[in-house]
Amino acid sequence: KQEVTQIPAALSVPEGENLVLNCSFTDSAIYNLQWFRQDPGKGLTSLLLIQSSQREQTSGRLNASLDKSSGRSTLYIAASQPGDSATYLCAVRMFSGGYNKLIFGAGTRLAVHP
Amino acid sequence: DAGVIQSPRHEVTEMGQEVTLRCKPISGHNSLFWYRQTMMRGLELLIYFNNNVPIDDSGMPEDRFSAKMPNASFSTLKIQPSEPRDSAVYFCASSFGLRVQGYSYEQYFGPGTRLTVT
Repeated sequence: KQEVTQIPAALSVPEGENLVLNCSFTDSAIYNLQWFRQDPGKGLTSLLLIQSSQREQTSGRLNASLDKSSGRSTLYIAASQPGDSATYLCAVRMFSGGYNKLIFGAGTRLAVHP
Repeated sequence: DAGVIQSPRHEVTEMGQEVTLRCKPISGHNSLFWYRQTMMRGLELLIYFNNNVPIDDSGMPEDRFSAKMPNASFSTLKIQPSEPRDSAVYFCASSFGLRVQGYSYEQYFGPGTRLTVT
């Protein structure tokens, strides 16, 4: 059974710091991996999606890497800003019987203070 | 496109009452997913449909929960009777589900329904 773990569970940093959020998964037979952002009381917003054949994806100040064989992904946030404060969720996509589903980690709650 | 639409956004009900949550997926998507999010258990997949047919309902917690998708543009999640431990945020998501080489199958989430059962 696939299990997704995110470390740390919570993080508080001053503005301007570079951050690394970690995600690990137990079954390396993933189709792709996706990072989401969730603001309090809101839905999920997709940040980056990495296919299993890729090593990394970049969008602005965000960079996500994937090491499928070791079951790890990191989300790197450069020059953090207070507006980055949110919960960041990692999810892996698996195929079973021809159909796909996402399995989520518990998230990392990030607070960036001025 | 308006994205995935969920209603109501907030629901407060008393224990024992029937609750119906509604979802309209993105037009053209043929896979629909219902999730539940709580502080204790995080985000859990309850059930998903492909071409209006339930594929995997192993995440549905009990017989009190049921889901239907009568057509490609509408789905409901029903709880009868509701209990305080059902209090959570329920999300609906949709995606295109045909297996195509290199396709991402990215899911698009609705804003969620916050359910409180007193």
